[in-house]
Amino acid sequence: GAVVSQHPSRVICKSGTSVKIECRSLDFQATTMFWYRQFPKQSLMLMATSNEGSKATYEQGVEKDKFLINHASLTLSTLTVTSAHPEDSSFYICSARDIDRVGRGYNEQFFGPGTRLTVL
Amino acid sequence: GENVEQHPSTLSVQEGDSAVIKCTYSDSASNYFPWYKQELGKRPQLIIDIRSNVGEKKDQRIAVTLNKTAKHFSLHITETQPEDSAVYFCAATWGGAQKLVFGQGTRLTINP
Repeated sequence: GAVVSQHPSRVICKSGTSVKIECRSLDFQATTMFWYRQFPKQSLMLMATSNEGSKATYEQGVEKDKFLINHASLTLSTLTVTSAHPEDSSFYICSARDIDRVGRGYNEQFFGPGTRLTVL
Repeated sequence: GENVEQHPSTLSVQEGDSAVIKCTYSDSASNYFPWYKQELGKRPQLIIDIRSNVGEKKDQRIAVTLNKTAKHFSLHITETQPEDSAVYFCAATWGGAQKLVFGQGTRLTINP
């Protein structure tokens, strides 16, 4: 149980285009999902907290107009990188917390397999 | 906000020896401390976690200790094996949304 999927796993796009990444919780519901970015040989940096039915909360320094987040259901959050540029090339990873487990006091986040974005 | 410092950045040990990775955190309200193993190009994999009301937790060859007073926690891997080679991250929760703040990572290499 507690499986999170991401799609696509890999995407290559031209500079100036927009890319949408989907994060799905397959066997649990999640009111909260998180989006991270990881550059080569670096740590995971939290970009934003995605809240079902409300606006996402962005970390300091992350442009909300560039990284659009939509969390329209309890099993799906999407991250759209708008007008992508080469510096946006990175490994994007989402995670989700299981509503039921949170209710029982468990803090664990379940991670998706990541999406590697390359902007040419 | 929360800040997590992790040391060392690289660690090389002989197979069969023990490895220890240490982290410190800044927010005394943090209450959950997971450790992740990440292989190249893969998702972080939870290997062990500890809550703030516990001082130590062990799972076979892996153990984690937490010192809340000093605000530091450590990962201990005993009887290391080549498959333990990976990058390890510590993390601590922060804020009402229980966001995870990650340490910088430790590249562990087990030499046969």
